[in-house]
Amino acid sequence: GALVYQYPRRTICKSGTSMRMECQAVGFQATSVAWYRQSPQKTFELIALSTVNSAIKYEQNFTQEKFPISHPNLSFSSMTVLNAYLEDRGLYLCGARSSGNTLYFGEGSRLIVV
Amino acid sequence: TQTVSQSDAHVTVFEGDSVELRCNYSYGGSIYLSWYIQHHGRGLQFLLKYYSGNPVVQGVNGFKAEFSKSDSSFHLRKASVHWSDSAVYFCAVSVASSSFSKLVFGQGTSLSVVP
Repeated sequence: GALVYQYPRRTICKSGTSMRMECQAVGFQATSVAWYRQSPQKTFELIALSTVNSAIKYEQNFTQEKFPISHPNLSFSSMTVLNAYLEDRGLYLCGARSSGNTLYFGEGSRLIVV
Repeated sequence: TQTVSQSDAHVTVFEGDSVELRCNYSYGGSIYLSWYIQHHGRGLQFLLKYYSGNPVVQGVNGFKAEFSKSDSSFHLRKASVHWSDSAVYFCAVSVASSSFSKLVFGQGTSLSVVP
């Protein structure tokens, strides 16, 4: 089956520090990866879409300078939240798209900022 | 701009009852419709999706959904729920222009199954 592993599951970081999270597709090749953030109010925001060997497309209000993404191959992606503040807290979800156009998600990396 | 509406924020049923979770969307082009489940504190688990063909799609754990173009709906149903089905359910639409990777989610419906 198709699985997506995300690490770490939870991070508590001090305001102004950074958090790196990883995403691994297992059992399939991810043709693209989408990074989302789920707010404490449970709404979803798309941060960026990443396809191997193509430019990463960031959504409005999200930038590469703040959320740099690495996507070196069809099974792995990582994203860093730089200089995290309270408004960056939430559950960061990695969605890996299969060749059948299903987006499989991991368990998420929860960012808590203190 | 595509939108997804889940009219019920909370649904409570007894174990063994049937349930329908409602989803309506607005978009005129080529789309995928999906349902995901999120248990408390967890990530999103894929349940099922529809793109074309038979409007009734079967998913995991006995869930199924029916697409209706005339009603712009994609309601999720289960004939007999279990207490472990208690979770938040999200309906989502994705469009061809984003290579189907950009999902627009509904607000979510919290399902509570009383043992």
